[in-house]
Amino acid sequence: ELKVEQNPLFLSMQEGKNYTIYCNYSTTSDRLYWYRQDPGKSLESLFVLLSNGAVKQEGRLMASLDTKARLSTLHITAAVHDLSATYFCAVDMPEKLVFGKGTKLTVNP
Amino acid sequence: DAGVIQSPRHEVTEMGQEVTLRCKPISGHNSLFWYRQTMMRGLELLIYFNNNVPIDDSGMPEDRFSAKMPNASFSTLKIQPSEPRDSAVYFCASSPGLAGEGSTDTQYFGPGTRLTVL
Repeated sequence: ELKVEQNPLFLSMQEGKNYTIYCNYSTTSDRLYWYRQDPGKSLESLFVLLSNGAVKQEGRLMASLDTKARLSTLHITAAVHDLSATYFCAVDMPEKLVFGKGTKLTVNP
Repeated sequence: DAGVIQSPRHEVTEMGQEVTLRCKPISGHNSLFWYRQTMMRGLELLIYFNNNVPIDDSGMPEDRFSAKMPNASFSTLKIQPSEPRDSAVYFCASSPGLAGEGSTDTQYFGPGTRLTVL
């Protein structure tokens, strides 16, 4: 059974700081997704990483995938309050996604 | 594009009542997924369909839950009888199904139905 572990589960950081969220998974997969969920809202797709070494960037967020290490990272650069949300990684099973428990990020002024 | 549409957005019912949640996927998408989200268990996949056919229902908690997809533009998730522990947010998601065999496309989530069973 595929297990997906995110850490940390809770992250409180100050505006302007950098931090990384980690997503480890237990079996081979070449495709990984990152989603964002605002409180009381639905999930929004951020990135899809399709191969080993893939790197995607959007604004202050950068995601990478190392399939050999079974690890993906979501790096936050110079955090701003608008990035406060819960971030999920999801691993291709295949044909279905297995989600991590999410990392709740709070960016404080 | 209207995105994935779910109804109702909120449902409050009493234990023992039947509950039906509805989903309209994005037009042209071939795969449809039902998820349940709670604080305790996180996001759980209940069942998914490909071309209207149920592929994997191993996440359906018990026989009280059933799901159907009578056509490409409509799916229902039914709970009968409902229990307080079914209280959760239920999401429907759809994907194009273009990634090819053995892969999963980006899934597009609906706004969710918040179910409260008293």
